[in-house]
Amino acid sequence: QKEVEQNSGPLSVPEGAIASLNCTYSDRGSQSFFWYRQYSGKSPELIMFIYSNGDKEDGRFTAQLNKASQYVSLLIRDSQPSDSATYLCAVRKAAGNKLTFGGGTRVLVKP
Amino acid sequence: DADVTQTPRNRITKTGKRIMLECSQTKGHDRMYWYRQDPGLGLQLIYYSFDVKDINKGEISDGYSVSRQAQAKFSLSLESAIPNQTALYFCATSAPGGSYNEQFFGPGTRLTVL
Repeated sequence: QKEVEQNSGPLSVPEGAIASLNCTYSDRGSQSFFWYRQYSGKSPELIMFIYSNGDKEDGRFTAQLNKASQYVSLLIRDSQPSDSATYLCAVRKAAGNKLTFGGGTRVLVKP
Repeated sequence: DADVTQTPRNRITKTGKRIMLECSQTKGHDRMYWYRQDPGLGLQLIYYSFDVKDINKGEISDGYSVSRQAQAKFSLSLESAIPNQTALYFCATSAPGGSYNEQFFGPGTRLTVL
């Protein structure tokens, strides 16, 4: 079992709809959770992080964390074609600042 | 100007050759990382360094070595390149301390080993 798992997709979403991405992790000691967006051939860029159970909203993005069930999700509201990218979930354990990444979910927003 | 730079951006080499990928940063961060990314896969940590005198192996360090020449410079070497090291390589930096410090990525180096 991989430490951080994501559905590879592609997740096809109509423009204006909500894209829902899920990520599960295996280490219950994980403390912080990050969502990175990566356009094809480009470097990852951070869009959200969350560390407490519940929801965290930033603009059109909402991160949801459930530590008991060991999953973190990302919602993209009012999806735009510019949201088409691969979204990487990353998990940070207690010590140090290492991140463990999932394989990413490719999102396609169709006009 | 970019905060994290990588050179070269693209490199084609042959099996058995020694190559070095370089990373420089102007963010003033102590922590630096090297990752590789294979098509359709996430990022795998190769090596990381929390300060100039600190070097640590990541998940996939075999076949690689690193050098932290200064706070701002972190180099990755492939002593004898092999085709399955063909990948996209990213350098990243972060500030020390705290649970939520973001990692900032360089633009990547696309390496092809023939």
